[in-house]
Amino acid sequence: GAGVSQTPSNKVTEKGKYVELRCDPISGHTALYWYRQSLGQGPEFLIYFQGTGAADDSGLPNDRFFAVRPEGSVSTLKIQRTERGDSAVYLCASSLEEETGINQPQHFGDGTRLSIL
Amino acid sequence: AQSVTQLDSQVPVFEEAPVELRCNYSSSVSVYLFWYVQYPNQGLQLLLKYLSGSTLVKGINGFEAEFNKSQTSFHLRKPSVHISDTAEYFCAVIRTDSWGKLQFGAGTQVVVTP
Repeated sequence: GAGVSQTPSNKVTEKGKYVELRCDPISGHTALYWYRQSLGQGPEFLIYFQGTGAADDSGLPNDRFFAVRPEGSVSTLKIQRTERGDSAVYLCASSLEEETGINQPQHFGDGTRLSIL
Repeated sequence: AQSVTQLDSQVPVFEEAPVELRCNYSSSVSVYLFWYVQYPNQGLQLLLKYLSGSTLVKGINGFEAEFNKSQTSFHLRKPSVHISDTAEYFCAVIRTDSWGKLQFGAGTQVVVTP
């Protein structure tokens, strides 16, 4: 498809486990963003990539969270030692890279719903 | 620091009636303003944005919003809603000194009934 693809769409796991969430951006989009949306809240910024490098990771809540984008396309968000408070919908967005990040809209995927039991 | 406040968590409205969703922001620097819509179990879709120029901006699906700098508001309006407008609507800002990082309000659930 032509849109941002996120897999899996749903993930249920036990507290303490490790999870990986994958994001396939729109082809040609060099900017990639991760957001987390808790129940009843708006999305919160986690991390932003320009190409392969993390340009801003100020939203990652703690060192259990890590994200990579080794080839400048697909990105993986990794969560270690999951906690019940990590339960949320994790959204990925991509955009064409441009100087201010405002003229090229961010295109969002449908998200991964993560549930920690 | 900055914050985005959506004043209504839920707005019920009858089909073909007008709707207004309120958004206020606070920021120590200038911001760009956005409205997104989220349909059930889907990602967010951009409705419209204000970057500069005319304070009245028009978006997709008949929505428009007005930027009011003195009141730090960016309210969203539609003169006549359809059942298909039932969704959650998010106001968001990007700081002018921060590349692409959207900060969202808590959202307003619009429920359109016949």
